[in-house]
Amino acid sequence: NAGVMQNPRHLVRRRGQEARLRCSPVKGHSHVYWYRQLPEEGLKFMVYLQKENIIDESGMPKERFSAEFPKEGPSILRIQQVVRGDSAAYFCASSPRAIRGGGPYNEQFFGPGTRLTVL
Amino acid sequence: KNQVEQSPQSLIILEGKNCTLQCNYTVSPFSNLRWYKQDTGRGPVSLTIMTFSENTKSNGRYTATLDADTKQSSLHITASQLSDSASYICVVSVGNNDMRFGAGTRLTVKP
Repeated sequence: NAGVMQNPRHLVRRRGQEARLRCSPVKGHSHVYWYRQLPEEGLKFMVYLQKENIIDESGMPKERFSAEFPKEGPSILRIQQVVRGDSAAYFCASSPRAIRGGGPYNEQFFGPGTRLTVL
Repeated sequence: KNQVEQSPQSLIILEGKNCTLQCNYTVSPFSNLRWYKQDTGRGPVSLTIMTFSENTKSNGRYTATLDADTKQSSLHITASQLSDSASYICVVSVGNNDMRFGAGTRLTVKP
């Protein structure tokens, strides 16, 4: 009955390094969503993936950011050459069905987040 | 301008008191509205979800209301407890393809 797992919970990087955030969805969920939350701000959608496919990446910066959800293993959000502005909490959520385009009772379950600090 | 506005931004109440949080939205076409509770350092947890035809939905001491005509929702917390201290986030689903998040109301319950 494990929920969404994210690791690491806290990540410190220096400017220019790479950050790799991992998300293991609820067992049996094939839909994963990544969100970013800046201090004192609301969650902002970044990307929606379904096993091996990126469905919607409209919220993800075009450069330095990439995401994948391989057939086996966790979903990965990768940030290359991090800058101070990347410091934020990154949340992953999963759902058993598409939350977008699905019915109103398709729920998504959030992980505890990864707090990225760029020095 | 955020299409989901929450008020107040922050709120402090005494334990045992009631409070009401507001959510106004301008997005359309409306699909459903969710309230989430986010404890500090944790991910959001769903409290209620309402569709267009539902006016009220309860979950224990939490009661959400929805007025689709005025595009307003409220979350009422009864007999607050210290564990209610958290951010409460309103999320509106737009059509079939989008979800818009409010910035949240930060509630602090003091003994």
